[in-house]
Amino acid sequence: ETGVTQSPTHLIKTRGQQVTLRCSSQSGHNTVSWYQQALGQGPQFIFQYYREEENGRGNFPPRFSGLQFPNYSSELNVNALELDDSALYLCASSLGGAGGPGETQYFGPGTRLLVL
Amino acid sequence: QKEVEQDPGPLSVPEGAIVSLNCTYSNSAFQYFMWYRQYSRKGPELLMYTYSSGNKEDGRFTAQVDKSSKYISLFIRDSQPSDSATYLCAMSAGGNNRLAFGKGNQVVVIP
Repeated sequence: ETGVTQSPTHLIKTRGQQVTLRCSSQSGHNTVSWYQQALGQGPQFIFQYYREEENGRGNFPPRFSGLQFPNYSSELNVNALELDDSALYLCASSLGGAGGPGETQYFGPGTRLLVL
Repeated sequence: QKEVEQDPGPLSVPEGAIVSLNCTYSNSAFQYFMWYRQYSRKGPELLMYTYSSGNKEDGRFTAQVDKSSKYISLFIRDSQPSDSATYLCAMSAGGNNRLAFGKGNQVVVIP
């Protein structure tokens, strides 16, 4: 069983550019959530995808967008990068579905984005 | 008021000591409570998972949830240098709902 993987590990961009981050969910998981973790802070929820549909969104502007593919891997796209977008971007996968007990989310190693 | 409050102050303890961490929260809808451990420049790793109020023990780790006080705790007994990491509390209203995190506590266990 493979864990959650993310690519790239590090990325440097300049203000105004666009970036795409990628996540492969853990085997058997159909739900992917994205979080932004600024230095010294806890992760902040960006949005979640369940079976290729957006299933909840945090307090982030529309320039943060995402996608989930039929194999449940996911992308996070950020347009018009700002300096404050510099952070660790974390992807978490879980097994979603209606009802039942809460399903835990398992995190990947993250992509560290630096915006200059 | 933030949804989840975790005093982010660093904590240094000698090896073998008990580490005590806690979080408070304001959202009554939260019913799933987690503790994650995060090593430097790594993703968070799930440590403990508790549903509703009560205690849960796993080896040297004990998680406590008091929903009436909106207060959760994590205790680490016989702390080891390998326990040095940042500990994040997290909670959700249920299922695959978003996780709300505290700021994290950096713990250093001194040999």
